[in-house]
Amino acid sequence: KAGVTQTPRYLIKTRGQQVTLSCSPISGHRSVSWYQQTPGQGLQFLFEYFSETQRNKGNFPGRFSGRQFSNSRSEMNVSTLELGDSALYLCASSARTSGGAKDTQYFGPGTRLTVL
Amino acid sequence: AQSVAQPEDQVNVAEGNPLTVKCTYSVSGNPYLFWYVQYPNRGLQFLLKYITGDNLVKGSYGFEAEFNKSQTSFHLKKPSALVSDSALYFCAVSRDDKIIFGKGTRLHILP
Repeated sequence: KAGVTQTPRYLIKTRGQQVTLSCSPISGHRSVSWYQQTPGQGLQFLFEYFSETQRNKGNFPGRFSGRQFSNSRSEMNVSTLELGDSALYLCASSARTSGGAKDTQYFGPGTRLTVL
Repeated sequence: AQSVAQPEDQVNVAEGNPLTVKCTYSVSGNPYLFWYVQYPNRGLQFLLKYITGDNLVKGSYGFEAEFNKSQTSFHLKKPSALVSDSALYFCAVSRDDKIIFGKGTRLHILP
């Protein structure tokens, strides 16, 4: 099975712009979660989508949004970019067959976003 | 509220020696515990998880972890470290449909 893929792998944007990141989960996985990873804050949960519905949301401002399509692919959007949004954005998929809390998450390689 | 702590930012171990990466957690009820590893410029890779049953969990690449309920710990161990084990290790606790990751421990295996 192909793993989780994320595009693009690298992005450079300037403050005030917006950006869209894409994630394709492992075939058959219906849950997609997004995380922000920074050296200072570690891995922070953004949100999770399952069957095109947002199930959980972390403590991020409304500038961060996402969606999931019927084929389980997911996109994350960040509007009005700030310098502090520079980070590695990771996507993870899971099957959600045994209850979300027990599921193993499978991560993509991440998109490194740099905001200038 | 659930939380997870990795008390060491960095651990240095000589190649061939046993290694331990520490993790403690706080959660009400029975926890589900995970270890993930991250190599440079890569996403996280699953190593092992504890759901229920045997307190000693065996995972990928020769790693194992011991669930200790009384000490609320889930330390990652390996009997003999390899230079290729050098990476960033994350412990995570999951409960009630939410997962929280520790800040990570950077493991350096010295040749």
